[in-house]
Amino acid sequence: GAGVSQSPRYKVAKRGQDVALRCDPISGHVSLFWYQQALGQGPEFLTYFQNEAQLDKSGLPSDRFFAERPEGSVSTLKIQRTQQEDSAVYLCASKKRGPSYNEQFFGPGTRLTVL
Amino acid sequence: AQSVTQPDIHITVSEGASLELRCNYSYGATPYLFWYVQSPGQGLQLLLKYFSGDTLVQGIKGFEAEFKRSQSSFNLRKPSVHWSDAAEYFCAVYTDKLIFGTGTRLQVFP
Repeated sequence: GAGVSQSPRYKVAKRGQDVALRCDPISGHVSLFWYQQALGQGPEFLTYFQNEAQLDKSGLPSDRFFAERPEGSVSTLKIQRTQQEDSAVYLCASKKRGPSYNEQFFGPGTRLTVL
Repeated sequence: AQSVTQPDIHITVSEGASLELRCNYSYGATPYLFWYVQSPGQGLQLLLKYFSGDTLVQGIKGFEAEFKRSQSSFNLRKPSVHWSDAAEYFCAVYTDKLIFGTGTRLQVFP
C-alpha cells in the first residue's frame, strides 16, 4: 500500500516568504507527527496530532510555525515570514491506533531552503 | 532531560566486515528504544525496536541490537556489512515523543 507522502519534495523560498508543506499520511492512521531535521542532525519533534486534535505543539520553534489537520487526514505545516534558520528537511510521520510507542512511518520529507 | 548520544559521527567499513554502531541514552524509566536508517532522499525506515523482554532484538536486513541497562546502551550490530547498508543510522528513545540522536553515517568500501 501507499506510504506517507509529502509535497513538495523541495522548496526554495526567499526570506520573509510564507510556505506551506503538505503531508498525506497512511490511510487510517490516526496519529500524525511533524519533525524538523537540520543538516547533520537527527530529526527533532515539532508537533503531534491525534485525528484532528493537535495534542502537542511543544516543539514548534516560534509562533511563525503553524500546523493543522482539519479533517484528521492530510496535514499542512505552515511557516510564516521564513528565516534562513528555517532551512531544513521537514519530515512527517504517521502511526496507526495503538500503544503510543508503536512504529511511526516516515515520509521522504520536504527540503526547505530559505535564501 | 531525556537524550540520545551517538558518539560516532562517521564510520567506514569494508564490505563483509562486521559493524557496531553505538548508542547511549539518558532516561529515568524503562526506555522504548529504536534504530532507524535513512538513505539519501528517503524517509526514515525502522530497523528494530526494544520495549521489554529479551535484551537482544532482531531486526530487518540482518541487523540486531542489544539493550544493556547497566550501560544505558543500545548498540546496533551486523555480522557482515553489504554495500547497500551505506546510509545514516539514527538511534531514538520514546518518552512522550521520539527523541533522536545526531546519527552515524556509514560508508562501505568494496
